[in-house]
Amino acid sequence: DAGVIQSPRHEVTEMGQEVTLRCKPISGHNSLFWYRQTMMRGLELLIYFNNNVPIDDSGMPEDRFSAKMPNASFSTLKIQPSEPRDSAVYFCASSPQGGRSPLHFGNGTRLTVT
Amino acid sequence: GESVGLHLPTLSVQEGDNSIINCAYSNSASDYFIWYKQESGKGPQFIIDIRSNMDKRQGQRVTVLLNKTVKHLSLQIAATQPGDSAVYFCAEPPNQAGTALIFGKGTTLSVSS
Repeated sequence: DAGVIQSPRHEVTEMGQEVTLRCKPISGHNSLFWYRQTMMRGLELLIYFNNNVPIDDSGMPEDRFSAKMPNASFSTLKIQPSEPRDSAVYFCASSPQGGRSPLHFGNGTRLTVT
Repeated sequence: GESVGLHLPTLSVQEGDNSIINCAYSNSASDYFIWYKQESGKGPQFIIDIRSNMDKRQGQRVTVLLNKTVKHLSLQIAATQPGDSAVYFCAEPPNQAGTALIFGKGTTLSVSS
């Protein structure tokens, strides 16, 4: 079991640039989550997919953020254009049974927007 | 040592001591709780969970206690080791079906030798 795989581990970009974060969930898990972690706000849910369909995107900050899950083994989180306040660690997590079962987290992407 | 996860975010203990990390939850209807451990540079890792029909559940060196009367959850770590140094989060499901776990702010556990 390779666990949830995220890439890149670190991303440094300039304000205004497009950023794409990638996630490969654990095989067989039907739910995928994107979280953002900052010191001030802790872990915040951005979006939740079940069977590749977005179920809850109420945590997506604004239209600059978008997420896709084209198939069961891949998801992307895109920020366009990026802003310094987007700097955070972004985690992807998957679970076999939605939001009521333990989530398995990747090791995150640390995003720095200058 | 003890801490209230949301109000005293740091707990410092000596190696070998028992640690108690506390968490208060707000939704009396919550029926499932999970503790996670997050080490520096890594994602949160599942430690132990408990359903509301239980008051206590034990794992390897960890015990979770649930007091539904006062909506309080605690994680006890026996014989704390330096490798236990991390941030610990409690999490509960939201009130609505189909959405995701809600995480507390976390408590930093620092173990000194």
